[in-house]
Amino acid sequence: QSVLTQPPSVSGAPGQRVTISCTGSSSNIGAGYDVHWYQQLPGTAPKLLIYGNSNRPSGVPDRFSGSKSGTSASLAITGLQAEDEADYYCQSYDSSLSEEVFGGGTKLTVL
Amino acid sequence: EVQLLESGGGLVQPGGSLRLSCAASGFTFSSYAMSWVRQAPGKGLEWVSAISGSGGSTYYADSVKGRFTISRDNSKNTLYLQMNSLRAEDTAVYYCVGAIAAAGTNWFDPWGQGTLVTVSS
Repeated sequence: QSVLTQPPSVSGAPGQRVTISCTGSSSNIGAGYDVHWYQQLPGTAPKLLIYGNSNRPSGVPDRFSGSKSGTSASLAITGLQAEDEADYYCQSYDSSLSEEVFGGGTKLTVL
Repeated sequence: EVQLLESGGGLVQPGGSLRLSCAASGFTFSSYAMSWVRQAPGKGLEWVSAISGSGGSTYYADSVKGRFTISRDNSKNTLYLQMNSLRAEDTAVYYCVGAIAAAGTNWFDPWGQGTLVTVSS
């Protein structure tokens, strides 16, 4: 059981908007620690997608956006494309565990 | 080009040892904290260990504390993970990652391609 909870799967048609939630607690996201997001394309290493809740590294399309509120965070993808089909992971720090923690991952299927 | 290249993975028996290496290039290695993150087959990501840029501070997940040791040689731009007393549940792809700190947490960038460690008799 992951400390950060994500839905196992989400799906959407090309061009649509999807969101992936990441729910934590008062010892991680709710404590004010930043949330980061990673994209893992099939058969490849993860790649940083969003850092510091809502910042995109250079080269990441502005179709990807992140937000945080209370004990949760969200990743939104607009204008869905076939190439977005991947696993997405959220990550933060947990003060009770004194460890960086990941969500269980969400598989995005583009219909 | 920023690059992290892991090596040292393989098949090892339960209770055995293995040392992973990660060669860094394209950035000032000694200025960056580094971490290891692993992914069991078909599973999610798990943070394993971290080390400061100087090597003076190290951190471990409870699942590996006392069995794994992280270290670095800044003169060789290389990160290491010594894994002892290996268990079946340590079977995973191990990724070498850069760790950038802000607001009490780290984000991980860049990532290596990973090296597979299989613990089995």
